[in-house]
Parts: sequence; C-alpha cells; structure tokens
Amino acid sequence: DSGVTQTPKHLITATGQRVTLRCSPRSGDLSVYWYQQSLDQGLQFLIQYYNGEERAKGNILERFSAQQFPDLHSELNLSSLELGDSALYFCASSETTTGTTYEQYFGPGTRLTVT
Amino acid sequence: TQLLEQSPQFLSIQEGENLTVYCNSSSVFSSLQWYRQEPGEGPVLLVTVVTGGEVKKLKRLTFQFGDARKDSSLHITAAQPGDTGLYLCAGGGSSNTGKLIFGQGTTLQVKP
Repeated sequence: DSGVTQTPKHLITATGQRVTLRCSPRSGDLSVYWYQQSLDQGLQFLIQYYNGEERAKGNILERFSAQQFPDLHSELNLSSLELGDSALYFCASSETTTGTTYEQYFGPGTRLTVT
Repeated sequence: TQLLEQSPQFLSIQEGENLTVYCNSSSVFSSLQWYRQEPGEGPVLLVTVVTGGEVKKLKRLTFQFGDARKDSSLHITAAQPGDTGLYLCAGGGSSNTGKLIFGQGTTLQVKP
C-alpha cells in the first residue's frame, strides 16, 4: 500500500459526459502528479500540483483540468469525453519537488471506460 | 526533449533464466527510479539510484546507474513467474518541478 488513495476504482460513462477523479496523497506529501496510461501510449504525464499551485504541465488536453485543494487532495476533471479517453488514470505523490531522489508513489488508479 | 529509451520492449523467458533490461538517455539525470507494475495496478517503486556507478541489490534484482548518470540497467537472476510484469525506469532532476521522465516500459513474462 503506497498510501495514495484514488476514487473511484472504476468509472463507466458515455461520450460527451464529464467526470471527476479524486486523489489523496500520502500523508505529508505536498506534490501531486496525474498520469494517463493507455495500451498504446504508455504512462503519459498530464499535470503536477505542488501545495495548491500548478507546477508542471504535460500532455494534458484542454478538455481536462485539475486542481489541488487546501487539504492537499486533488481532483482531475475530464469533460466532453471521447472514446479515446478510455484509459487508466493514476495519481502519484511526492514529498517535495527538489532534492536528489524525486521518488513518486502511485495510487491504485481509476479505470475510465467511455462508451 | 528528454527521453528514456528502454530495451527490450518485450521479454518472454523460462523460469530460472537471467535477464537484463536497459534504460538509456542522452540526458543526465539526478536520480533514476525503477518501478514494477502489474496489470490494472499502479506502479510500485523498486529502487532509486542517485550516484554515478552506483549498484543496488534487492534480492535477485541488481540495479546499476551509469557512471555518467545517463543510463541504468536492471538485472534479474534466476527469474521466477512472480517477476512477471511491466518494468518502468524514470529519470528525475531534469527540472525543478519534481517531474519524472518515464521510459516506455519493458513487459516481462516468466513462464513456469
């Protein structure tokens, strides 16, 4: 158990809909990262928040957005869903953004199926 | 753009065999992590190497960081079916954000 929690575990929805994925980082971790993993794309970095502020952006679509709340939990919002958005979505957390180790701890993921 | 290239992408071996997975880049990293992921689950951190030339052992797994901190290898001795999974390398330190650069992964299947 990494200490990172994600809900829901599974999500099935229709094209055009909007969903929200939730992540709680490990106790004490200030940084949260979101990743998308599909069969043909590997693990793709989407976005990072550090202590409530956006820190880095990756291959995140404009239809997707995220935020980190004062209690450090984070939400990833996916809107106008398309079939191609079906994937595993992972959240990871780390203690800080500097240092020498850069270790990230991953949650169990949310499997999103768009029909 | 920094990239980490893993090889091989797929590996299918018999129980008891040895194997090595490589992770290469043209960029220097402050650290390199290896993760193992099982189907439908999140990646699990196996090890972090931070010093050029560093070697770390985790039971039958040996991890090495290249002298120039641009490459790494994972060697498994006497592989077992329980070693089956996706192995990912990830490099850190390319920015001040904590962001990791992930390789595309090596899928290992160990047959009994």
